[in-house]
Amino acid sequence: EADIYQTPRYLVIGTGKKITLECSQTMGHDKMYWYQQDPGMELHLIHYSYGVNSTEKGDLSSESTVSRIRTEHFPLTLESARPSHTSQYLCASTLAQGSDNEQFFGPGTRLTVL
Amino acid sequence: AQSVAQPEDQVNVAEGNPLTVKCTYSVSGNPYLFWYVQYPNRGLQFLLKYITGDNLVKGSYGFEAEFNKSQTSFHLKKPSALVSDSALYFCAVRSYNFNKFYFGSGTKLNVKP
Repeated sequence: EADIYQTPRYLVIGTGKKITLECSQTMGHDKMYWYQQDPGMELHLIHYSYGVNSTEKGDLSSESTVSRIRTEHFPLTLESARPSHTSQYLCASTLAQGSDNEQFFGPGTRLTVL
Repeated sequence: AQSVAQPEDQVNVAEGNPLTVKCTYSVSGNPYLFWYVQYPNRGLQFLLKYITGDNLVKGSYGFEAEFNKSQTSFHLKKPSALVSDSALYFCAVRSYNFNKFYFGSGTKLNVKP
């Protein structure tokens, strides 16, 4: 098992609520990523980070925001959740050095917005 | 542009038979290719990767993959499938600047007893 954690694992909330999905890794990885994945479907990159104080938008437009104040922590925030945000959110990380490093994934957060 | 294609949404195989899950790629420069497996309600788990060297790469759980440069393919294989191999499999390529991974659409593998 990789040392990358996501909380909560499951979340059911009402429309309009602000939520933060937590992601932490203890491997000292510089690069971190957030993906959105509908069940059994492909992954869509929504945010990534090269390191502290660095964040970039991914390939899929998302209403979420991220921050990277510490190397090990990469939270994702939805200011006002909507039913269209219902999905699984996967966090991943990898080493910055070298081109041959794979990503390590967290267990995911399954979000349901009512 | 970097991309991968998994042409099969689903692969069905009987337990004990060999399995192949297909992946083709498009990349600028040298390809760095990966296979991941995802079980229900879990994140992705790394299986194997090709960076350079032997075209046949061996990975976890008895899986292997064959890199074919002329066909731009990186098919996942296993000589004898297990029911427990049933899962969703993703092929991925790492971009030339190494910051992004591009994933295929996934292939659901069903291994029947």
